[in-house]
Amino acid sequence: AQRVTQPEKLLSVFKGAPVELKCNYSYSGSPELFWYVQYSRQRLQLLLRHISRESIKGFTADLNKGETSFHLKKPFAQEEDSAMYYCALGSNYKLTFGKGTLLTVNP
Amino acid sequence: DAGVIQSPRHEVTEMGQEVTLRCKPISGHNSLFWYRQTMMRGLELLIYFNNNVPIDDSGMPEDRFSAKMPNASFSTLKIQPSEPRDSAVYFCASTPGPTTEAFFGQGTRLTVV
Repeated sequence: AQRVTQPEKLLSVFKGAPVELKCNYSYSGSPELFWYVQYSRQRLQLLLRHISRESIKGFTADLNKGETSFHLKKPFAQEEDSAMYYCALGSNYKLTFGKGTLLTVNP
Repeated sequence: DAGVIQSPRHEVTEMGQEVTLRCKPISGHNSLFWYRQTMMRGLELLIYFNNNVPIDDSGMPEDRFSAKMPNASFSTLKIQPSEPRDSAVYFCASTPGPTTEAFFGQGTRLTVV
């Protein structure tokens, strides 16, 4: 069975501070990992995926197979980063999400 | 393409009534997902289809829930009878293939009173 765990439901930081949103997964094969973001009352949208190894809006995420983690990081948080962030695992047509972390960036 | 289209955007219904949520995936996408979002449970996968065939419905909470995909351009999620605990935002998403980016609709906010 595949499972995604986001241990923090809420995360609050000040503008300019570093931010890390944690994600751990459980899957026996080679997963595809994603981060999705949902701004207030909007649809979910893809933020980044591990295979592209890109930085979007200053966010990066590295897949650590040894620790089965895919933490999302940004060195300097901005107020517009306030949103709900979901980590997701994809395999065999199935996309499983974690419960999400609500990030609040305070001025 | 207008993206994944869900209707209605909002639905308020009385307990015991039948509710039907609709989804039009992006043309050419092979997989379609139904998710339920609540504060307590986050985003739960209810069911997903591949090439119009239900693959995994283990997330459907109980027999009151049913989903269909009669063709590649339309899917429904039905709740009969509805209960207050079904109140949530229901999202539909589609993908062009396995383990690729999922495109979400704007969701249907269901309130059962």
